[in-house]
Amino acid sequence: QVQLQESGPGLVKPSQTLSLTCTVSGGSISRGHNYWSWIRQPAGKGLEWIGRIHSSGSANYNPSLKNRVSISADTSKNHFSLRLTSVTAADTAVYFCARDEVRALDYWFDPWGQGTLVTVSS
Amino acid sequence: DIQMTQSPSSLSASVGDRVTITCRASQSISNFLNWYQQKAGKAPKVVIYAASSLQGGVPSRFSGSGSGTDFTLTISSLQPEDFATYYCQQSDSLPWTFGQGTKVEFK
Repeated sequence: QVQLQESGPGLVKPSQTLSLTCTVSGGSISRGHNYWSWIRQPAGKGLEWIGRIHSSGSANYNPSLKNRVSISADTSKNHFSLRLTSVTAADTAVYFCARDEVRALDYWFDPWGQGTLVTVSS
Repeated sequence: DIQMTQSPSSLSASVGDRVTITCRASQSISNFLNWYQQKAGKAPKVVIYAASSLQGGVPSRFSGSGSGTDFTLTISSLQPEDFATYYCQQSDSLPWTFGQGTKVEFK
């Protein structure tokens, strides 16, 4: 079955760029109508959708982050990536990647990666 | 953005109890509502999608209902493995948004 795994630095300095990659195994990110999302969760808090990418390159972002975020897909490596610029302590969170499962007009997140903690600190 | 509000924020229950969690959307979202279970230190996993469809592998004691703005997640007989935090999420319009979560704790 499809599995996702996040990777990237666990510590980023304020004002720098956070970069994470989600590697997909057990299935191709190019197949089907799926989008692939990034979601984050600050410690002890709720979930925030960051944005999503389709293998065609079509992307959607949360307006709360739109000016700082970009998501890209590399079909040759079967992975997709997140870049978040000008980070502050408020960007400290566990970052999850997930597939936007789709059936007719219904979307839901399944499966999810295990998550990776990114701390913004000098 | 569509705001999702869950109630209660937390609840205490015993094994065997019937548990109901409510989620309200700030505008109508038809049946585009999903429920996730998250255990400590783990990624969320979907239990109900499209308001009332049970995800494969999820026990039948979980059920979802509702449409429009008001939705419920029911666990008919709480089991030890069900103690977790539950989130609703709307997939009617971007940006996808989540409720703040309901923590189900042991009484």
